[in-house]
Amino acid sequence: DAKTTQPNSMESNEEEPVHLPCNHSTISGTDYIHWYRQLPSQGPEYVIHGLTSNVNNRMASLAIAEDRKSSTLILHRATLRDAAVYYCILRAGGTSYGKLTFGQGTILTVHP
Amino acid sequence: NAGVMQNPRHLVRRRGQEARLRCSPMKGHSHVYWYRQLPEEGLKFMVYLQKENIIDESGMPKERFSAEFPKEGPSILRIQQVVRGDSAAYFCASSPDGRLTGELFFGEGSRLTVL
Repeated sequence: DAKTTQPNSMESNEEEPVHLPCNHSTISGTDYIHWYRQLPSQGPEYVIHGLTSNVNNRMASLAIAEDRKSSTLILHRATLRDAAVYYCILRAGGTSYGKLTFGQGTILTVHP
Repeated sequence: NAGVMQNPRHLVRRRGQEARLRCSPMKGHSHVYWYRQLPEEGLKFMVYLQKENIIDESGMPKERFSAEFPKEGPSILRIQQVVRGDSAAYFCASSPDGRLTGELFFGEGSRLTVL
């Protein structure tokens, strides 16, 4: 599986935007980019996913570089509830099941 | 609409005992995946099951661990003769079919402590 690299931790203030980067220089043309987050003592929660184009949903936006070697998860207005570990995951397009490879992720701290 | 339900949420076992963890997928989901999260580590895929079938068990330890998803009832992850290294959080996820539609739905996990 192609590897992703994320900063170990990031900090933000409440109600400010947060940009969480992810590098995936060995991504292949059919790899999807998925983001999950895990709040303390809970299971992972889906955030967003994309292939080539930028994506928006009610939780976040995903900005994908033109060469697809990096992407950024954007939380438009951080809240205290957004404090979590954020995982950037590549999933091969040919796979047909939920065999995701979680890395260490980025620990996001949100200050009031 | 209930999400993925796991029980027990917390389980304490002594070395050598058996642990059984249950997972009821979301309504309408027939694909179940088990993950393990060791302390201070990321989640690791263990096994993928469809009703009455094991599709991929490449992440399962070769001994003591088994999983099933019967035609009726929850999926069960069974750990025989537990050891301290089995202490971890075990998460179950489900999806409606074998192709990822975009998201896996995870339960809140079962935390196993082996004394």
